[in-house]
Amino acid sequence: EIVMTQSPATLSVSPGERVTLSCRASQSVSRTLAWYQQRPGQAPRLLIYGASTRATGVPARFIGSGSGTEFTLTISSLQSEDFAVYYCQQYSNWPPGTFGQGTKLEIK
Amino acid sequence: EVQLVQSGAEVKKPGESLKISCKGSGYSFSSYWIVWVRQMPGKGLEWMGIIYPGDPDPRYSPSFQGQVTISADRSISTAYLQWSSLKASDTAIYFCARVAAANWYFDLWGRGTLVTVSS
Repeated sequence: EIVMTQSPATLSVSPGERVTLSCRASQSVSRTLAWYQQRPGQAPRLLIYGASTRATGVPARFIGSGSGTEFTLTISSLQSEDFAVYYCQQYSNWPPGTFGQGTKLEIK
Repeated sequence: EVQLVQSGAEVKKPGESLKISCKGSGYSFSSYWIVWVRQMPGKGLEWMGIIYPGDPDPRYSPSFQGQVTISADRSISTAYLQWSSLKASDTAIYFCARVAAANWYFDLWGRGTLVTVSS
């Protein structure tokens, strides 16, 4: 089973800052990597698929990159609604839904 | 509107059975896989199993094989997750989600069903 590792676990940042979240796969997943946002008390929401393609309605400030085993999600200028937990997920190998443990963005 | 509507919160005792539901609307329910995802209190997301509404054989994550049963009734666009004997450790929020066509990421999520198991 492919293991997904996200870092850091928690990130304290100020609104307006640029932030980069990391996700590493234990073996290559090519570009079959998705990112989800989960706000408190809400369901996860798809942000990025194919490592870098934004889902419908996702603002341009969310930028996904990477391939193979190393991936990043950059938020170019944090808005108040972006403070949430972010999960990466590989969908290369069975089981297809291996998630990382999440990175929590909190307000500094 | 394209959506997945999940059944309401449940409070059960250990040993009781339970079946929760996830109803799709606004799209061709029979054409997409549905996945169930567990989120224990304060924890991350765990993939439990998936089902294709037109296929009687769901697939389970090894961690959940034998612990739950996943089914679907395509005639009413509804998927189900059930337990025969709940444990306190089953306390969690359970999300259903639609698997994107031709790929295995999850592009549409239900709001989740909170299941509380307590004596």
